[in-house]
Amino acid sequence: GEDVEQSLFLSVREGDSSVINCTYTDSSSTYLYWYKQEPGAGLQLLTYIFSNMDMKQDQRLTVLLNKKDKHLSLRIADTQTGDSAIYFCAESVDRDDKIIFGKGTRLHILP
Amino acid sequence: EPEVTQTPSHQVTQMGQEVILRCVPISNHLYFYWYRQILGQKVEFLVSFYNNEISEKSEIFDDQFSVERPDGSNFTLKIRSTKLEDSAMYFCASKSGSSDNEQFFGPGTRLTVL
Repeated sequence: GEDVEQSLFLSVREGDSSVINCTYTDSSSTYLYWYKQEPGAGLQLLTYIFSNMDMKQDQRLTVLLNKKDKHLSLRIADTQTGDSAIYFCAESVDRDDKIIFGKGTRLHILP
Repeated sequence: EPEVTQTPSHQVTQMGQEVILRCVPISNHLYFYWYRQILGQKVEFLVSFYNNEISEKSEIFDDQFSVERPDGSNFTLKIRSTKLEDSAMYFCASKSGSSDNEQFFGPGTRLTVL
């Protein structure tokens, strides 16, 4: 069945790079997403990648996809205090409209 | 910037009571969704809605749940007889078209069933 796994916590020093990892099981996943949730707010789409891509870069964000290993990562360069949030890895497939989420990784920024 | 809104932000109810969670999707969007997140667990898909009917629903979305778009702006989730295990954060989402990848999420309603 469909499943998305990610580690629950990550602590990073301000100014360092953060790397959040995720694995998924559904090989037919077409879209892979990273959502950000700040306290009291909804889920904000940060970026997504098509399954036929290996990498996508958008300013400080870099998404890497290893389709063979079903591994997705999000790298945040020069991590800032405003990046403190929960980051959800998610997937969807062509045949379905629903999004399958992981449990979320809480990113904590150390001064 | 247009956004999805949800009311109330927090709803407390007694077990067995009916609750209606309200959402106002982005105005030109055509596809609507409900998800929920039990504390400490994953965000789970409940139901998708298009053209005034349910497109897909999950196993969670049993006969106790229903959705409605009563007018041109609101999208509601009704739980007929709440159970303790319905306590969760409920997220509404909408997207503009079938080729659009981004579902825009609301801030959520926290439902507490006592």
